Amino acid sequence: TQLLEQSPQFLSIQEGENLTVYCNSSSVFSSLQWYRQEPGEGPVLLVTVVTGGEVKKLKRLTFQFGDARKDSSLHITAAQPGDTGLYLCAGGRMDSNYQLIWGAGTKLIIKP
Amino acid sequence: NAGVTQTPKFRVLKTGQSMTLLCAQDMNHEYMYWYRQDPGMGLRLIHYSVGEGTTAKGEVPDGYNVSRLKKQNFLLGLESAAPSQTSVYFCASESYVAGEQFFGPGTRLTVL
Repeated sequence: TQLLEQSPQFLSIQEGENLTVYCNSSSVFSSLQWYRQEPGEGPVLLVTVVTGGEVKKLKRLTFQFGDARKDSSLHITAAQPGDTGLYLCAGGRMDSNYQLIWGAGTKLIIKP
Repeated sequence: NAGVTQTPKFRVLKTGQSMTLLCAQDMNHEYMYWYRQDPGMGLRLIHYSVGEGTTAKGEVPDGYNVSRLKKQNFLLGLESAAPSQTSVYFCASESYVAGEQFFGPGTRLTVL
């Protein structure tokens, strides 16, 4: 069974601080996606990384896919209250074009 | 475009009752999914469909049935609700080209 473990499960920091969220597995994935979910809503895709070692930036958010395509990280620089939410990673299965393996999520709270 | 819509938004059932959750998408997507989200467990795939008239089991299919008679609609049925089915249910759709899942706002179901 493929598993994706996210850490930390919960993070509460002050506005302006930096943070990193991790997504780890012993399995290889075809791709890795990061979603953000706000209370009462469904997840929304932030980014997809496909190549081992790939780094993508989205304003203050930096996403990295591990060289072996087994892990990923999300780094937020100078966090803002608007970054508050549940961050979910999802790995593309090697044996399926349309099923994702989901992490349990990191609940992030940025205090003003 | 409305994107992905789900009805109802909230529902309370008694053990043994049945109900159907409706998901509709207006993006002409081929793939559709039903997930449940429980605290600390992330998203778990119940059933999915890769096209009109086709359905397949996901990770946690027991106690649920689905139908996709029209491309834009994906129905999730609970034949005899159990308290263990108390959860938030999300529907998602995806184009086979884009690789991004678009989620509905969710249905919060409580089974007493």
